[in-house]
Amino acid sequence: DAGVTQSPTHLIKTRGQHVTLRCSPISGHKSVSWYQQVLGQGPQFIFQYYEKEERGRGNFPDRFSARQFPNYSSELNVNALLLGDSALYLCASSRTSGVGYNEQFFGPGTRLTVL
Amino acid sequence: GQQVMQIPQYQHVQEGEDFTTYCNSSTTLSNIQWYKQRPGGHPVFLIQLVKSGEVKKQKRLTFQFGEAKKNSSLHITATQTTDVGTYFCASVGSNYQLIWGAGTKLIIKP
Repeated sequence: DAGVTQSPTHLIKTRGQHVTLRCSPISGHKSVSWYQQVLGQGPQFIFQYYEKEERGRGNFPDRFSARQFPNYSSELNVNALLLGDSALYLCASSRTSGVGYNEQFFGPGTRLTVL
Repeated sequence: GQQVMQIPQYQHVQEGEDFTTYCNSSTTLSNIQWYKQRPGGHPVFLIQLVKSGEVKKQKRLTFQFGEAKKNSSLHITATQTTDVGTYFCASVGSNYQLIWGAGTKLIIKP
């Protein structure tokens, strides 16, 4: 079975632009979570979606939004990009909604650079 | 909010030496998960502990959850080059999100 896939792998944007990152979970997984990982730090939780509904939100500004589609794939949108948004954005999928209690499978990530 | 403190930030070892990383919290943790992230890679789930005093082993890796459920440790016996990477602990916080430690980077001395 294919693992979690993310696109694009790398992205360069300028301040003020917006970006859309995409994630396809493992087949059969209904939960998708998004994380931001700044170099040298642990992942920071952004959102969790389960069955197309938002189940959790981290401490990120409203410039960050996400959605999950009927096929359980997901998009993360970031508006009005700031230099500090430069990071590795990770998507993780799991079978059920209890993201903190279930094994999560991570994708390779999208490396976003904001200039 | 809940925080998970992880130490040390780095550990340099000779191949064959042991490695240990520790996670601590001021509040009781409902669970603890451990992940490994290789350089340039993504986190990979290793294990989850939920019971007070729980100890689990995976080959050369030993995971412990403290009796008070406020601390956890990962110990690797006789490190190998394949063990290189950053080890993270994480625990479920409010709003069911995972709170991650800052990670301990295992570096094998040449």
